[in-house]
Order: sequence, then structure tokens, then C-alpha cells
Amino acid sequence: ETGVTQTPRHLVMGMTNKKSLKCEQHLGHNAMYWYKQSAKKPLELMFVYSLEERVENNSVPSRFSPECPNSSHLFLHLHTLQPEDSALYLCASSQDLWGAPNTEAFFGQGTRLTVV
Amino acid sequence: SQQGEEDPQALSIQEGENATMNCSYKTSINNLQWYRQNSGRGLVHLILIRSNEREKHSGRLRVTLDTSKKSSSLLITASRAADTASYFCATGTSGYSTLTFGKGTMLLVSP
Repeated sequence: ETGVTQTPRHLVMGMTNKKSLKCEQHLGHNAMYWYKQSAKKPLELMFVYSLEERVENNSVPSRFSPECPNSSHLFLHLHTLQPEDSALYLCASSQDLWGAPNTEAFFGQGTRLTVV
Repeated sequence: SQQGEEDPQALSIQEGENATMNCSYKTSINNLQWYRQNSGRGLVHLILIRSNEREKHSGRLRVTLDTSKKSSSLLITASRAADTASYFCATGTSGYSTLTFGKGTMLLVSP
């Protein structure tokens, strides 16, 4: 148990559906992240939030929409996804942004998303 | 661009043996971190080594860092079947807000 909780753990959705992934941390961390992990690929950073403000967006398609309503919660809203978006979506948090010298990341267990 | 790259991609050993994984990176770093991921689950932080450190220990883990060669190694001593997982290195770079991961080394420890 890392202190970062993701729900749901598994999600199957059709290409026309709208769904949301939720991430929650009560570690008092200031930074939160969404990563995508596809088979045989490195983890891909999608979004970075620091103190509830988005600081980085790595050219992610607009069908993925993040939301950070407060420092403890992070959402990833999904709509009109494609089958190639099927992957493990990981949320992480850290005390400060990872450029800081001693900052480690705490990951949630991930949401296994399947788009059919 | 991908920063950390682990080597080998896969490693299969027997229980009790040592496992060594290597990581190479390309630019200057503030720190390098190793993570473990059990199949289909989240990553768990193992150890962090700062750029001014050369070696660090944590239980059965030993991490070395050679900034001149831009490389790091993770040694797991006296491996156990429970060590079976994928291991990732990740680098933290000053002024850059993200932690960049490699593709990982898949370690299989057989009883």
C-alpha cells in the first residue's frame, strides 16, 4: 500500500463511452502525475500537476482530459477512445516535482483499461 | 526522449543467486531511482541515489552510480522467488518536472 489509490482497477469501455479514472492521495504531496503503460513500451508521461496546476502535457490526444480539483485528487476523463488506448494507466504523486534532489514517486496500483 | 535504459531486458536466475541489472542514461541528473513492478500492478520505489553518491545499500539491494559513465547498477543479493518482477530505473533532472523511465528489466527467479 503506497498511499495512492486508483479506481477503478479494471475498466472496459466502448469507443463511444465516456468514463473517468480517479486517483487519490492523502500523503500531503504537491505533485501528481498520470502515466500510460503499454506492453513492451516505456512508461509514457501524460500529465503533470503541481499544486493543482498543470505544468506539463506531453502531446496527449484531446480524448484524454485531466482534472485536478484539489491537491489530493486527480482525474483522467476519457471519451471516444481508440482500441490502441488500451493500457495500464498509472497515477503517481511526489512531495515535490521530480526535479528536486530527493523526491521519490509513489504509484497507485493502476487502472487496466480495455477499449473495445 | 527516453532517459534511462535498462540492461538486460530479461534475466532468469535461481533462488539464492545474485541478480545484477544495469541502467544507462544520457544527460546530467539530480538523482536516479530504481522501482519494482509486479505484473500488472503499480510501481514501488526501491531506492534513490543522489548524483553526488556512488553507492547505496538497502537490505539486499545495492545500487551504484557512475556519473562519468552515466550508468547505474542494481544488485539484488540472495534472490528469492518473490523478487520476480520488472525493475525500472528512472532519472530526475534539475529543472525538468518529470521522472523518465526505461523499458525495464524483467527478472524471473525460479525456486
